Amino acid sequence: SQTIHQWPATLVQPVGSPLSLECTVEGTSNPNLYWYRQAAGRGLQLLFYSVGIGQISSEVPQNLSASRPQDRQFILSSKKLLLSDSGFYLCAWISSGQFPDTQYFGPGTRLTVL
Amino acid sequence: GQNIDQPTEMTATEGAIVQINCTYQTSGFNGLFWYQQHAGEAPTFLSYNVLDGLEEKGRFSSFLSRSKGYSYLLLKELQMKDSASYLCAAVGNTDKLIFGTGTRLQVFP
Repeated sequence: SQTIHQWPATLVQPVGSPLSLECTVEGTSNPNLYWYRQAAGRGLQLLFYSVGIGQISSEVPQNLSASRPQDRQFILSSKKLLLSDSGFYLCAWISSGQFPDTQYFGPGTRLTVL
Repeated sequence: GQNIDQPTEMTATEGAIVQINCTYQTSGFNGLFWYQQHAGEAPTFLSYNVLDGLEEKGRFSSFLSRSKGYSYLLLKELQMKDSASYLCAAVGNTDKLIFGTGTRLQVFP
């Protein structure tokens, strides 16, 4: 079966510290992968998406970056966190060749920057 | 520009029917999704519409009118567990999902 994992589940970090969030998908190959952020009371904001290893598209300018070192691994990073980076970070995937192209979400990481 | 509008909050009574509306503006159109999101959890897929009309899945139905840029999610026989946020999302030419801010539904006994 196809599953998506994210870790950590929750994270509290000081301003200026680095960040690394990981997302892995099992049971599928060559998925499209997405990173979203959901701030309190706001909609889902697409941050990055990837259609393959090493292929990253950025949607919004910010102090975050993403990498896809392996087919089923997607990493979100920051060198220095800002207070505004607090939020609920969600990884999503679409299996290649699937119709409709439904995005399925991982359990999310709740990040609090203090 | 691209935009999704849906009401911020709705309330309803257990056993009742509720309709959550969504209007969208996108560059091109490749489908409309509805997701359910319980507090503190990830969104889960509910329905997909790309053609005009009604799609029914048990107690949940979703309707689409492409000419009006309009969709609704209909929830019947409401249960307490249906209290959640309902997210409307449209896909335009770029194949990326554009999400609304969600409608928070509270179901009361």
